[in-house]
Amino acid sequence: NAGVTQTPKFRVLKTGQSMTLLCAQDMNHEYMYWYRQDPGMGLRLIHYSVGEGTTAKGEVPDGYNVSRLKKQNFLLGLESAAPSQTSVYFCASIQDGNSYEQYFGPGTRLTVT
Amino acid sequence: GENVEQHPSTLSVQEGDSAVIKCTYSDSASNYFPWYKQELGKGPQLIIDIRSNVGEKKDQRIAVTLNKTAKHFSLHITETQPEDSAVYFCAAREAAGNKLTFGGGTRVLVKP
Repeated sequence: NAGVTQTPKFRVLKTGQSMTLLCAQDMNHEYMYWYRQDPGMGLRLIHYSVGEGTTAKGEVPDGYNVSRLKKQNFLLGLESAAPSQTSVYFCASIQDGNSYEQYFGPGTRLTVT
Repeated sequence: GENVEQHPSTLSVQEGDSAVIKCTYSDSASNYFPWYKQELGKGPQLIIDIRSNVGEKKDQRIAVTLNKTAKHFSLHITETQPEDSAVYFCAAREAAGNKLTFGGGTRVLVKP
C-alpha cells in the first residue's frame, strides 16, 4: 500500500495563476481532508469530504475549491492564486466517521509570488 | 467551533531528560485527542491518542494524560533521545465530519 500520496511535491505559481493539487489514497477510505500548514498555526482544515461526490467547507475554505469524483481521489483547486496561499498543503484520509486515526500524505509546498 | 491551544511553542531538552507538552481545548463534546509527530519534510504521523473515557495512556516512553473537567491534555516523553527531535501537534476531534482541530505545534529539540 502506498497510503496517501500527493502530487506535486513542490510548485511555484505567479499571482493569478491556477493549479490543482491531487491527493490519492489506496486504503478505500471514505473520508478525506485538505489542510494547510503555516508557521505557528498548526494545520487548518480547508475542505473535507465524507464520501465520493460529497464536499464540505472547513475552517479556511475561501479561495479554494475541491472535488471528489472518485473515492480514492480528492482534488484541491486554486482558481486565482494569491501570495497568502503560500503554504504547505497536506491531505489526509480516514476509514469512516467512526474511525480515529487520520493518515497524512507527505505534503505539497506551494509558493505564490 | 473547537479551539485548541498548545504550549510551549518550542522546547529544548537534554538527552535523557523528560519533555512535557500541554494542550487545552474548548469544546466539551470533543471525545478523542491524538498526538502527531512531524519530522522535517514529512507529513504528521500519529504517535499516541486518548479517548475521553480514559484518563491516561502509555506506550513505552510516551504517555498522554487527559483531564476532561479542566479540558486539558498533555504529552509526556521520558528518556528523550535525539530522534525525538521533531514538531509535535495535539488535536481534538469534533464528532461531526470526524474533523480534527490542531494546536499550533511544539518544536522539540533534544540536545545530545
